[in-house]
Amino acid sequence: EAGVTQSPTHLIKTRGQQATLRCSPISGHTSVYWYQQALGLGLQFLLWYDEGEERNRGNFPPRFSGRQFPNYSSELNVNALELEDSALYLCASSRQGRDTDTQYFGPGTRLTVL
Amino acid sequence: DQQVKQNSPSLSVQEGRISILNCDYTNSMFDYFLWYKKYPAEGPTFLISISSIKDKNEDGRFTVFLNKSAKHLSLHIVPSQPGDSAVYFCAASGGGSNYKLTFGKGTLLTVNP
Repeated sequence: EAGVTQSPTHLIKTRGQQATLRCSPISGHTSVYWYQQALGLGLQFLLWYDEGEERNRGNFPPRFSGRQFPNYSSELNVNALELEDSALYLCASSRQGRDTDTQYFGPGTRLTVL
Repeated sequence: DQQVKQNSPSLSVQEGRISILNCDYTNSMFDYFLWYKKYPAEGPTFLISISSIKDKNEDGRFTVFLNKSAKHLSLHIVPSQPGDSAVYFCAASGGGSNYKLTFGKGTLLTVNP
């Protein structure tokens, strides 16, 4: 069974630009989660999508947005990039959005903002 | 406010010995706990989980213990192997925030041959 996949692996942008990150969940999983791991910080919850809807978001500005497609893949968009957006962005998927559904992570996208 | 804390940034053990990684939490509403292992430049890999209705869960060399009264959990790895060297994250969910995991900052485990 294929795991969670993310693209691109690395992304370099300049301040003010927009970044788009993509995630494909494990087959059969309907929930997709996005997390940010900035240097020196732990993993911070960003967004949760389930069945095509945004179910909740973490404490991040509206510049961070995304969507989930009918095939359950997901996109994370970061607008008006700032230097502090440089981080590893991790996508995870689970069967459903219940607290006992284990989240499985992809390899991440390393975003660098210059 | 850090709801999940891993107070030891690093731990070094000898191959074959036991590794014990600790985690404390403050939110009494958490009811599901997980441990992930992470290598550099990779995403976290799920290791083992435990529900709050249990106090122990075993999977091969990995055992997680949960002490709800102390709001403490630990991961035991026996015997430790050099390939276990990685950052270990403790995570928790539940209590109305069941859509997300709250992570500790991780403990770097080094297993020396």
